[in-house]
Amino acid sequence: EVQLVESGGGLVQPGGSLRLSCVVSGFTFGSHYMAWIRRAPGKGPEWLAHIRPDGSEAYYVDSVKGRFTISRDNAKNSLFLQMNSLRADDTAIYSCARDVGRTADYWGQGTLVTVSS
Amino acid sequence: DVVLTQSPLSLPVTLGQPASISCRSSQGLVHSDGNIYLNWFQQRPGQSPRRLIYKISNRDSGVPDRFSGSGSGTDFTLKISRVEADDVGVYYCMQGTHWPRTFGQGTKLEIK
Repeated sequence: EVQLVESGGGLVQPGGSLRLSCVVSGFTFGSHYMAWIRRAPGKGPEWLAHIRPDGSEAYYVDSVKGRFTISRDNAKNSLFLQMNSLRADDTAIYSCARDVGRTADYWGQGTLVTVSS
Repeated sequence: DVVLTQSPLSLPVTLGQPASISCRSSQGLVHSDGNIYLNWFQQRPGQSPRRLIYKISNRDSGVPDRFSGSGSGTDFTLKISRVEADDVGVYYCMQGTHWPRTFGQGTKLEIK
């Protein structure tokens, strides 16, 4: 069974940082692109970033470029999202997802990030 | 960025009746490899999204054949032939052809 479990969310002040983690099981993690997607209240999902299977290259949407960094540890079946300079509009549920065929075929349940003073 | 516009945004449906959701793209979705990466997701209350359809009309494993996808160019449709109580939730279209990958704003299906 494919499972993706995120952690690391919480309440953070504007300008602060958080590091999200996603542990994966049920498939060969190191063979797949992986992505982070967020769902803000009242909005459609937003695809933030994805990373190659070997971690050599990553792609970011403009709204997070320069502030967020996606990375992975294939030995630990883990995906990460380092989020810096957080703003109120970054408040959302953040999910990791398996990226196959230019889409996300499996998603985790997500972890809530709230940016507020 | 490609804007996906869904309609309707709210869809009350009687059990057993059909339902249809439209997704219109601001630009064509044909990739240089010839594929059209238009997908549909279902998000049930309290759950994360689940993919139903990929590349316009391909159903994911375990998705009932009551769900079907169609379309071409910039207009795409998700149809449910007979709505069941389990279908309540928000439905999103998503394109993977162009960067950044984008989603529609969602259509909330409820039982009338």
